Amino acid sequence: QVKLVESGGGVVQPGGSLTLSCAASGFTFNSYAMHWVRQAPGKGLEWVAFSPSSGSNRYYAESVKGRFTISRDRSKNTLFLQMNSLRPDDTAVYYCAKSGDIAAAGFESWGQGTLLTVSS
Amino acid sequence: QSALTQPPSASGSLGQSVTISCTGTSSDIGAYTYVSWYQRRPGRAPRLIISFVTNRPSGVPDRFSGSKSGNTASLTVSGLQAEDEGDYYCASYAGRNSWVFGGGTKLTV
Repeated sequence: QVKLVESGGGVVQPGGSLTLSCAASGFTFNSYAMHWVRQAPGKGLEWVAFSPSSGSNRYYAESVKGRFTISRDRSKNTLFLQMNSLRPDDTAVYYCAKSGDIAAAGFESWGQGTLLTVSS
Repeated sequence: QSALTQPPSASGSLGQSVTISCTGTSSDIGAYTYVSWYQRRPGRAPRLIISFVTNRPSGVPDRFSGSKSGNTASLTVSGLQAEDEGDYYCASYAGRNSWVFGGGTKLTV
C-alpha cells in the first residue's frame, strides 16, 4: 500500500534553512503529482507546494513563494522541500501528500508529518 | 487565497447525523468539482474521506456523504459513531495549480 515517510524536521533559527524529505513507496512515484501541506500549532491545514508528475514545473502558496523549493529524486522515489529564510510563522508539522489520478482533485494519501520549529 | 470557512466545532450523539459546512468563493468551491474532505484523528495522519464533492474512496463508510451548492460544500456524517470524533477539513482546487483548505471543524460525539 501507499507509504509516505517524512523526515528532516527540527529546530532552526529564524533566517535559517532546512530540507525536508518524504520517502515514497507502494506506488509508481513518477506517475503521480505530490504536495507539501503544513499545519501550524492550533491552526488548520495549509497547502504549501505542488510538484506535477512530470516534475517540470513547481507551484507554491504565496506565503512561501521565493523561499521554499519543492523537488523530487525520481531514482530514489523521494520528495523534498528545501526551505530558506525561515520565519517563526513557518513553524508547523509538514506533511507530504500524494495526489490521485487527477491532480486537481486533492490529496489522496498522507504521511505522518515532520515537525519544524523556527525559534531563536 | 483565503481559507475556506468552516464552523470551529460540531457535535452530535451516537446514531445521530451531523452536517459540517464549508464556504468558499466563486473562484474555488463555486468554480470546480474538486472539493474534498479529510478526517484527522489524534495521532493519525489526515485521511481522505470525500473527493470530487461526493465520491467516497474505497474503505470509507457510506455514513459519510458530501454535497455542494453554489460556493458552499457540506459533509454529512450519518449514524454517528464514537470513532468519528476528530477534526474535519474541507479543501478545494482554486485554479492555477493552487489549493485552499478550510480552518477545520472539531467533531465531538
